[in-house]
Amino acid sequence: DAGVIQSPRHEVTEMGQEVTLRCKPISGHDYLFWYRQTMMRGLELLIYFNNNVPIDDSGMPEDRFSAKMPNASFSTLKIQPSEPRDSAVYFCASSLGRAGGNTIYFGEGSWLTVV
Amino acid sequence: DAKTTQPPSMDCAEGRAANLPCNHSTISGNEYVYWYRQIHSQGPQYIIHGLKNNETNEMASLIITEDRKSSTLILPHATLRDTAVYYCIVSVYGNKLVFGAGTILRVKS
Repeated sequence: DAGVIQSPRHEVTEMGQEVTLRCKPISGHDYLFWYRQTMMRGLELLIYFNNNVPIDDSGMPEDRFSAKMPNASFSTLKIQPSEPRDSAVYFCASSLGRAGGNTIYFGEGSWLTVV
Repeated sequence: DAKTTQPPSMDCAEGRAANLPCNHSTISGNEYVYWYRQIHSQGPQYIIHGLKNNETNEMASLIITEDRKSSTLILPHATLRDTAVYYCIVSVYGNKLVFGAGTILRVKS
């Protein structure tokens, strides 16, 4: 299996621009997660989906952030407008829900720099 | 989810066993203990999880105390490639993972 695929791997953008991060989960997985990692705050869960439906978005920092999952094989995380404090590594992850606890598989991350 | 406490850092000699402790004194009866690790610049990687019995897989062993208030992750023969941040997390379903600061494990030759 190819694992969780994220794009772009690196992006540098100017403040005020729209940023779109993309994710392809592992085929067959029914959970998808978006995490953000910074030096100051560590790894934070932003939102997660089950069967393409957002279940918990309490970690989304503000209205500038939005996430969608139009189908089982694709998700996006958008930031509009972007700000320098959004600079971070954004991880997408997926898992297969099952009894006995889920194993979450993470992508390699999208490194975002907002200048 | 219950919180966990881990030492900020540990050193281990290459080839020796690395024993990483974790305290989770407020763990609930239906919460699993999960271990993930993050090697520099990579996404977190699942290692192992357990409910109350000890568990072993190809990567590591997980020892959970009888009262479930603490656990130990054991890497039996640590290599330089095991240098990473190790996270101990308790969660009911393993979905909404709350990552703490973890333990930085340095394996030295």
